[in-house]
Amino acid sequence: EPEVTQTPSHQVTQMGQEVILRCVPISNHLYFYWYRQILGQKVEFLVSFYNNEISEKSEIFDDQFSVERPDGSNFTLKIRSTKLEDSAMYFCASTAGGALMEGYTFGSGTRLTVV
Amino acid sequence: AQRVTQPEKLLSVFKGAPVELKCNYSYSGSPELFWYVQYSRQRLQLLLRHISRESIKGFTADLNKGETSFHLKKPFAQEEDSAMYYCALSGLGTGRRALTFGSGTRLQVQP
Repeated sequence: EPEVTQTPSHQVTQMGQEVILRCVPISNHLYFYWYRQILGQKVEFLVSFYNNEISEKSEIFDDQFSVERPDGSNFTLKIRSTKLEDSAMYFCASTAGGALMEGYTFGSGTRLTVV
Repeated sequence: AQRVTQPEKLLSVFKGAPVELKCNYSYSGSPELFWYVQYSRQRLQLLLRHISRESIKGFTADLNKGETSFHLKKPFAQEEDSAMYYCALSGLGTGRRALTFGSGTRLQVQP
């Protein structure tokens, strides 16, 4: 069964540093997403991406964040100047089409720890 | 604003007992509701969605618009059902694809 792959599984970074979280969505999927889950809290939507541009974003997704699909297979989330409160599990997901009926396929997540 | 509430953080039952995981939502339009499950050390995966009215692994969920609920039920729990369960909502027909998740309920099925 096709999977969404995320790397690294765990990243530790110093406050103020930039990090890039990487995702390889399922190859024939067209919509890509980032969610995060701070420890003990809800899974929260960050951003969705379609046709090489952001289609939706939440208020969490401020200027500190950016997404990119640099080469047609990878989908990256960049966090500039990380803060302690950015520590969370970050999940990438993809869907084939516009309808949600088939559900998301999630990656296994990247645990980001900002120290 | 849309919101999903799962009032129980933990639900512990014995094997063979019925299970009901509660989910209530708040949404002004027509909702599209899902249950996602996360087994230990595995990724979030779709369990079922209200629009397809299916039963997966013996679980069912019915959308009750009057009570704004989408409770997940199973008549006889199995040990392998132990997992974290998340209710999630999106807006039907809005073109939005973002999901709003509840805080999750951990189901423990004891032998």
